[in-house]
Amino acid sequence: AQSVTQPDIHITVSEGASLELRCNYSYGATPYLFWYVQSPGQGLQLLLKYFSGDTLVQGIKGFEAEFKRSQSSFNLRKPSVHWSDAAEYFCAFLPETSYDKVIFGPGTSLSVIP
Amino acid sequence: ETGVTQTPRHLVMGMTNKKSLKCEQHLGHNAMYWYKQSAKKPLELMFVYSLEERVENNSVPSRFSPECPNSSHLFLHLHTLQPEDSALYLCASSQDWGGNQPQHFGDGTRLSIL
Repeated sequence: AQSVTQPDIHITVSEGASLELRCNYSYGATPYLFWYVQSPGQGLQLLLKYFSGDTLVQGIKGFEAEFKRSQSSFNLRKPSVHWSDAAEYFCAFLPETSYDKVIFGPGTSLSVIP
Repeated sequence: ETGVTQTPRHLVMGMTNKKSLKCEQHLGHNAMYWYKQSAKKPLELMFVYSLEERVENNSVPSRFSPECPNSSHLFLHLHTLQPEDSALYLCASSQDWGGNQPQHFGDGTRLSIL
């Protein structure tokens, strides 16, 4: 079955530390992949996306993600976390090329210690 | 400013009430979406509209009735809802419903069913 998992429900990091949020998908081909962030009381904001090409994708707010086909993963990274990065992060993928088939992960909640 | 505006931001209603959620996008997009975000569950796609035509109904109960009068407006009409329908309802839009175009989300309507 097609699915996306985020193994970490909650992560706490210190401000200035590096961050990696994990995302794994289950699909027989290469999907479209996305990372979104949701701050309290707000909707989702797209951080970055992968469709094809370079497997290291740069996004907004200093985030990047690397697509690894062999591991079916699309992990999100940031070298130095800021307190304002505390939010909920969602990985999503499209098993086909249109949004009617979009599948979201359960989310990872990030807390940042000053 | 997201370009996608949802009203109201909060709604409390009884199970016998009828209410409507409104979404308006100012981005010139052709596709609009309703999502349901419940606690502890992944984001669920409810409805997709492309050029005012419904594309997909993901087995959503009939007590939820969408309406897309034009490409800028999307409504979700609610009637005889159940307590489990309490959730954050998010609207999104994209240039078209192909996955290579990013989705833009509104800040959601927090719905509570008494």
